[in-house]
Amino acid sequence: SAVISQKPSRDICQRGTSLTIQCQVDSQVTMMFWYRQQPGQSLTLIATANQGSEATYESGFVIDKFPISRPNLTFSTLTVSNMSPEDSSIYLCSVEVPRGGVMYGYTFGSGTRLTVV
Amino acid sequence: GESVGLHLPTLSVQEGDNSIINCAYSNSASDYFIWYKQESGKGPQFIIDIRSNMDKRQGQRVTVLLNKTVKHLSLQIAATQPGDSAVYFCAEKGSNAGGTSYGKLTFGQGTILTVHP
Repeated sequence: SAVISQKPSRDICQRGTSLTIQCQVDSQVTMMFWYRQQPGQSLTLIATANQGSEATYESGFVIDKFPISRPNLTFSTLTVSNMSPEDSSIYLCSVEVPRGGVMYGYTFGSGTRLTVV
Repeated sequence: GESVGLHLPTLSVQEGDNSIINCAYSNSASDYFIWYKQESGKGPQFIIDIRSNMDKRQGQRVTVLLNKTVKHLSLQIAATQPGDSAVYFCAEKGSNAGGTSYGKLTFGQGTILTVHP
């Protein structure tokens, strides 16, 4: 399975600023995903990022707030823009990896714990 | 809309007991289900998965049961150990009419499992 490295692992940011989170995978993957996990809650998909095309955002998430780059098959970034305390969450990168036949698995990075003050 | 929910938000068991974590889903078109374990400060870790054409799948100390009639998923952990203490999430993936994997996962609320020595 793929190994994902996320940077930074945590950060404390001032409101109004922006933070870019990096996701590096040790193998080429077609589909990458960004999730948000608010404190004490489950994971919510922000967007799907495929190489060579614009990210597809889920309801409630917009590109101006969460711009995403996907320059190649092993790397993606998520930017949290103009942050407010409500953006304090764990942000997780995930990739889809083949498991043989028609099976696919979904591996997650360790996440970026963001606190906005 | 589509949703995946859990019956119990917390579960406390004694070491050595068997644990059962339940999940209800609403999208009858979902064709793939996954259980994840998330420890504090880490990303979700794959435990076991099951496709909709199966009703049971076993792994090491874990079993997943799928009841499509009532849209219910469960995770059974045998001989629960303190190291099993974590938050457990179920996730579902909707089917894609084209037969290819789309990858969008919908997560349930999560169940906090606490194992007492």
